[in-house]
Amino acid sequence: SQTIHQWPATLVQPVGSPLSLECTVEGTSNPNLYWYRQAAGRGLQLLFYSVGIGQISSEVPQNLSASRPQDRQFILSSKKLLLSDSGFYLCAWAKGRTGAEKLFFGSGTQLSVL
Amino acid sequence: AQTVTQSQPEMSVQEAETVTLSCTYDTSENNYYLFWYKQPPSRQMILVIRQEAYKQQNATENRFSVNFQKAAKSFSLKISDSQLGDTAMYFCAFSISSGSARQLTFGSGTQLTVLP
Repeated sequence: SQTIHQWPATLVQPVGSPLSLECTVEGTSNPNLYWYRQAAGRGLQLLFYSVGIGQISSEVPQNLSASRPQDRQFILSSKKLLLSDSGFYLCAWAKGRTGAEKLFFGSGTQLSVL
Repeated sequence: AQTVTQSQPEMSVQEAETVTLSCTYDTSENNYYLFWYKQPPSRQMILVIRQEAYKQQNATENRFSVNFQKAAKSFSLKISDSQLGDTAMYFCAFSISSGSARQLTFGSGTQLTVLP
């Protein structure tokens, strides 16, 4: 069966520090991978998605970047965190490339930038 | 661009009762999919139900069913026999059917509390 792992679960970082959040998927190959951010009391905003190794699409101009160094690994990074980067970050994967696909989500990372 | 609106930030229901969560959306697309996702206190998002726009029949999953009104662009979720474990944030989401990996547009969510 397929599983998705996301870590860390909680992270407190000072403004200006770097960020690296990691997500890995097991039990499937060539998944579509996604990073979402959820601000407090709000819905999910798509940040990045990837259809293959090294292929990253950015949805929102921002202080963050994403990389996919391996088929089932997706990394969210920042060189210098801003206060506005605080939020709950969710990684997700889907099998196919149509809008019909069910998304499977990781357990999320609560990032607090102080 | 597609938008999804959930006009009820918070709702509550007594255990064993029925509750309906509202969702409207706006799109010029004819083929698309609609979803309801649940985010319990653990914060892990879980798919509750999915509806294909080309299907007139409303989707059902056990105690969960939808009322899909395509002309009105409305997609409400009905939870029957509410249970304490149904307490969660519920998100309505939309996705077009064309071959794009770009995924869901989410609404802002409805926090549902099931009262004992």
